[in-house]
Amino acid sequence: ETGVTQSPTHLIKTRGQQVTLRCSSQSGHNTVSWYQQALGQGPQFIFQYYREEENGRGNFPPRFSGLQFPNYSSELNVNALELDDSALYLCASNVAGAKETQYFGPGTRLLVL
Amino acid sequence: GQNIDQPTEMTATEGAIVQINCTYQTSGFNGLFWYQQHAGEAPTFLSYNVLDGLEEKGRFSSFLSRSKGYSYLLLKELQMKDSASYLCAVRERDKLSFGAGTTVTVRA
Repeated sequence: ETGVTQSPTHLIKTRGQQVTLRCSSQSGHNTVSWYQQALGQGPQFIFQYYREEENGRGNFPPRFSGLQFPNYSSELNVNALELDDSALYLCASNVAGAKETQYFGPGTRLLVL
Repeated sequence: GQNIDQPTEMTATEGAIVQINCTYQTSGFNGLFWYQQHAGEAPTFLSYNVLDGLEEKGRFSSFLSRSKGYSYLLLKELQMKDSASYLCAVRERDKLSFGAGTTVTVRA
C-alpha cells in the first residue's frame, strides 16, 4: 500500500473522445508525476506538478494536460484520443527534494477503440 | 535527457542468483532507482542509490558507479514470486526516466 489511489481502474473510450483520469496522492506530498506505460515498455514521463503548477513535461503533445489541487488530488486530461493512447496511466507522488522514491498508484488502464 | 539500457529478458532457477545490469546517460544525475513490477500492477520500490557502492536490502542488492553510468540489481535466493519485470529508473531533479524493463522468469 503506497497511499496513492487512482480512478477509474479501467476505461474504454473511442477515438476522438476526451478522458479525465484522477489521482489522490499521499497527504503532504506536494509533487505529482504522471506516466504512460505501453504494453511491454517502461513508464514514460508525461508531466509533473508541484504546488499546482506544471514543473516539467516529457515528449507529449498539448492534448495531454493536467491539474493539481490543494487537497493532494490531481487530474490527467487527454483530448482527441488516438488508438496509440491505449496504455496504463500511472501517477506517482513524493515530497519535492526528498531523497526518497516516488510512490506509485495502481494505475488506470485505458483502451481506445 | 536520459538513455537507459537494460536486458529485455532473463531466466534463472529457483534458489539461484540473477544480476540485472543497467547503463545510462544523463545530463543531471540525482539518483537511480530499481522497481519491481508484476504484470498489470504498479511499480513497487526496491532500492535507491545516489552514491557509488553497494546497497543491500535482504535478498536484493543494488550497485552504482556514477563515473561509468552503470548500475546492477542483484537478486539472491530466487523465489517463484520474484518472476516480474524489473525497471531501472534515473532521476534528474524530480523527473524519473525509466528503462524498458527486464522480465525475469524464475523456473522451478
